[in-house]
Amino acid sequence: EAGVAQSPRYKIIEKRQSVAFWCNPISGHATLYWYQQILGQGPKLLIQFQNNGVVDDSQLPKDRFSAERLKGVDSTLKIQPAKLEDSAVYLCASIGGRTSGRSPYTDTQYFGPGTRLTVL
Amino acid sequence: QKEVEQNSGPLSVPEGAIASLNCTYSDRVSQSFFWYRQYSGKSPELIMSIYSNGDKEDGRFTAQLNKASQYVSLLIRDSQPSDSATYLCAVTDSSGAGSYQLTFGKGTKLSVIP
Repeated sequence: EAGVAQSPRYKIIEKRQSVAFWCNPISGHATLYWYQQILGQGPKLLIQFQNNGVVDDSQLPKDRFSAERLKGVDSTLKIQPAKLEDSAVYLCASIGGRTSGRSPYTDTQYFGPGTRLTVL
Repeated sequence: QKEVEQNSGPLSVPEGAIASLNCTYSDRVSQSFFWYRQYSGKSPELIMSIYSNGDKEDGRFTAQLNKASQYVSLLIRDSQPSDSATYLCAVTDSSGAGSYQLTFGKGTKLSVIP
């Protein structure tokens, strides 16, 4: 079974530029998450999708961040314009969710390799 | 605001010793508890999950949960240099919509000295 795919793996941009990250979850996984992990901290949830709908985006800075999952499979996260404090690793994760027939409490979140963003 | 607290470390133990990692959480309705291992430059990898009070053992790893004290720990027996990593504690509950969201601590950096 292929894992969660993310691209690019690294990105360096200047502040005020825009950037987009892509994620392809494990095949059949209905729930997809984007996390931001700043150096020395744990991952912080930005947005959660169930199929192509947003479940929770309460921690997404909507003035500059946007995300979509139009066909309920892969997803993109965009930052426009970027700030210095956006320098972080952006992680995508997926789980099977309720549609898999398993309890969500026992499903494992599988993480992709992440995209390391540096804003200069 | 749910909070998960961990000592950031670094925690240094000699090879072969027991490493003890601790975590406390603020939300009493938390139902599921996880330990992730994260090597430098890599993404988190689940190593243990625990859902009820008591101990759960898996190889050299033992997770302990005490919901009354809102405390979860991870013991690593016979520590190896390959165990050197950051260990992230994560908790989840149901928001009612079954959203299954993880709240992570900052992680404890473990160094196993040969």
